[in-house]
Amino acid sequence: KQEVTQIPAALSVPEGENLVLNCSFTDSAIYNLQWFRQDPGKGLTSLLLIQSSQREQTSGRLNASLDKSSGRSTLYIAASQPGDSATYLCAVNTGFQKLVFGTGTRLLVSP
Amino acid sequence: EPEVTQTPSHQVTQMGQEVILRCVPISNHLYFYWYRQILGQKVEFLVSFYNNEISEKSEIFDDQFSVERPDGSNFTLKIRSTKLEDSAMYFCASSDNGGGTNGYTFGSGTRLTVV
Repeated sequence: KQEVTQIPAALSVPEGENLVLNCSFTDSAIYNLQWFRQDPGKGLTSLLLIQSSQREQTSGRLNASLDKSSGRSTLYIAASQPGDSATYLCAVNTGFQKLVFGTGTRLLVSP
Repeated sequence: EPEVTQTPSHQVTQMGQEVILRCVPISNHLYFYWYRQILGQKVEFLVSFYNNEISEKSEIFDDQFSVERPDGSNFTLKIRSTKLEDSAMYFCASSDNGGGTNGYTFGSGTRLTVV
């Protein structure tokens, strides 16, 4: 059974810092991995999708990497801003028509 | 950018009542899903739906739950005889090819409160 874990559970940083969010999964047989952002009480906004054959994907200040064999993905956020404050979720596509979500990292960026 | 639309955004219901949560997936998507998130917990898969039938469901999705695509645009989740523990945020999602190429697009959710 696929299990997805995210570290750290919470992170508080001053504005401008570069930061790394970690995601690990137990079964390396995945189709792809998707990073989402969730604002309090809101829906899930897709940030990046990285296929199992890819090593990384970039969108603006965000960069996601994937090491499928070791069961790890990282989300790198450059030059963090207060508007980046949210919960970040990684989700693994197991190939059986469903995503398995991680526990989330709650990020607070202070001005 | 195309969106998945969910209504209502918040629903309060009495224990034992039936509720229907509604979703309008992205128009050219063929795969539809329901997930839920109990406050403070992980987002959990409930069910996937393709070609007018359930393709996968979780242990949570028991006889209390049902899904339907009543017309060409709506996708609904019905919860019969609601319980207090059904209180959660329910998310609808859709994908064009099962999430393989373009991933999943989620709606903004319906917060269900059972009192």
